[in-house]
Amino acid sequence: EIVMTQSPATLSVSPGERATLSCRASQSIDTNFAWYQQKPGQAPRLLFYSASTRATAIPARFSASGSGTEFTLTISSLQSEDFAVYYCQQYNEWPQTFGQGTKVEIK
Amino acid sequence: EVQLVQSGAEVKKPGESLRIACKTSGFTFTTYWIGWLRQMPGKGPEWMGIIYPDDSDTRYSPSFQGQVTISADKSINTAYLQWSSLQASDTALYYCARLVNWVDYWGQGTLVTVSA
Repeated sequence: EIVMTQSPATLSVSPGERATLSCRASQSIDTNFAWYQQKPGQAPRLLFYSASTRATAIPARFSASGSGTEFTLTISSLQSEDFAVYYCQQYNEWPQTFGQGTKVEIK
Repeated sequence: EVQLVQSGAEVKKPGESLRIACKTSGFTFTTYWIGWLRQMPGKGPEWMGIIYPDDSDTRYSPSFQGQVTISADKSINTAYLQWSSLQASDTALYYCARLVNWVDYWGQGTLVTVSA
């Protein structure tokens, strides 16, 4: 089973600042990789798939990159609605696996 | 509009059986994999298994193989997750989801509480 490791566990950021989240896969997954956002009491929401393709209605302040084993999610200027938990996921092989999440909180 | 609507929260006793449902609409049910995920408090989602409703091809995550049963009724566009004997450790939030390799749509979640 592929292990996905996210860092940091918690990121404290002021509104308007840039946030950079990382995810590492325990083996190469090419670009079979997705990012999700989850707010309290809600299901996760797809942000990116194929490592860097923005999902429908995701604002341009979100960007993502990476391939192989290293992936990055960047939020260029944090808005109040962006404070949430972010999960990475590999879908290169079954079982698909998620990271443990990065919580982006208000500084 | 694509929708996955899950059945309501459940409170059960250890040893009891349970089946929760995921009613879908807005897409052709038989042409997508539908899956079930477990989310424990403060943790990331975990895949339990997936089913292809057209032929009921089912794959389970090794961690959940033999612990649950996933099924689908294509006549009513509904997927199910079933336990034959619940344990306290099954207490969690469960999501159904539609797969297009990644997950593009999620149900709202069903909270299952198992307590004596």
